[in-house]
Amino acid sequence: KQEVTQIPAALSVPEGENLVLNCSFTDSAIYNLQWFRQDPGKGLTSLLLIQSSQREQTSGRLNASLDKSSGRSTLYIAASQPGDSATYLCAVSLISSGSARQLTFGSGTQLTVLP
Amino acid sequence: NAGVMQNPRHLVRRRGQEARLRCSPMKGHSHVYWYRQLPEEGLKFMVYLQKENIIDESGMPKERFSAEFPKEGPSILRIQQVVRGDSAAYFCASSPPDSRGGQYFGPGTRLTVT
Repeated sequence: KQEVTQIPAALSVPEGENLVLNCSFTDSAIYNLQWFRQDPGKGLTSLLLIQSSQREQTSGRLNASLDKSSGRSTLYIAASQPGDSATYLCAVSLISSGSARQLTFGSGTQLTVLP
Repeated sequence: NAGVMQNPRHLVRRRGQEARLRCSPMKGHSHVYWYRQLPEEGLKFMVYLQKENIIDESGMPKERFSAEFPKEGPSILRIQQVVRGDSAAYFCASSPPDSRGGQYFGPGTRLTVT
């Protein structure tokens, strides 16, 4: 059974800092990995998607890396802004048939960027 | 191109009533997924559907919960005889036939059982 862990559970940083959020998963036979952002009381916004054959993806100030062999992914946020404050979720889908579509989520990292 | 739409956004039901949650996928997406987020817990997969077919319902509670995605119209998640423990945010996601592009989520329906 796939388990996804995110560390830290909460993070508070001053504006302008670069930061790294961590995600680890127990089954390396993943199909892809997605990073999402969730604002309080809102839905999920997809930030980055990394296919199993890829090592990293970049979008603006965000960079996500994937190391399947060690079961880890990191989300790097450069020059953080107060508007980045949200909960960041990591989710993986497995290759195994029957469950290739379902996403398994971590419990999230709650980020607060202080002005 | 409208995103995934869910309605209602908020739903209040008394214990024992039925709850019906609707989800319209993004245009061009034929695959729908339902997830549940219980208070203070993470998102959990419930069911994966294609038009007129349930593909994977391994995350659905065995009783009172059902889902459908008819040929025409939105996908429906139905909860019969709701209990307080059903209070949660229910999210729908959709993807094109090739899921390599990932899943796109709706704003969720927040169900409160009184």
